[in-house]
Amino acid sequence: AQSVAQPEDQVNVAEGNPLTVKCTYSVSGNPYLFWYVQYPNRGLQFLLKYITGDNLVKGSYGFEAEFNKSQTSFHLKKPSALVSDSALYFCAVRDMGGGFKTIFGAGTRLFVKA
Amino acid sequence: KAGVTQTPRYLIKTRGQQVTLSCSPISGHRSVSWYQQTPGQGLQFLFEYFSETQRNKGNFPGRFSGRQFSNSRSEMNVSTLELGDSALYLCASSPPGAQETEAFFGQGTRLTVV
Repeated sequence: AQSVAQPEDQVNVAEGNPLTVKCTYSVSGNPYLFWYVQYPNRGLQFLLKYITGDNLVKGSYGFEAEFNKSQTSFHLKKPSALVSDSALYFCAVRDMGGGFKTIFGAGTRLFVKA
Repeated sequence: KAGVTQTPRYLIKTRGQQVTLSCSPISGHRSVSWYQQTPGQGLQFLFEYFSETQRNKGNFPGRFSGRQFSNSRSEMNVSTLELGDSALYLCASSPPGAQETEAFFGQGTRLTVV
């Protein structure tokens, strides 16, 4: 069965510094991986996805993610953090049993300090 | 193009009551998925509907049920509410296509059971 782990409950970073939010996955076969962001009292917003191709995927708001098959990781990164990036970030994997069922990680809260 | 619309946004119910939540997907989207979000459990998949048929189901008791109408709008029902059902319920729709397509989330319905 597919699963996703986000090992950090919270990540703290100073504005202007690079940020990394970690994600590891377990799937059988080729994974479809996603990152979503959630702001307070809002639904999830799609950031980026990896389906196939280049291991470095670029997404919205300057975010990117690096797919590493050997380490089964899909870490979210941004070269320079903004205070407005503070939010809850979810890594997710598509269940390959058919349909659009998606398995989410527990989420990582990102705090960017001015 | 209107986004995913969930109604109501907030709901307070008493233990033992039942509740119905509504989700209108983005026009043209035929798949609707429901998730329960709680601080302790993260995002848990409830079920997915496609063309009025339940295509996937998560590990929730039978008190949780759903349906989808011919216009793709979906409802979920929770009967005999328990305090532990207090959560943010999120609906997501997906456009026609393969499994690499991302989901689009509504803002959620926050249910409080007292």
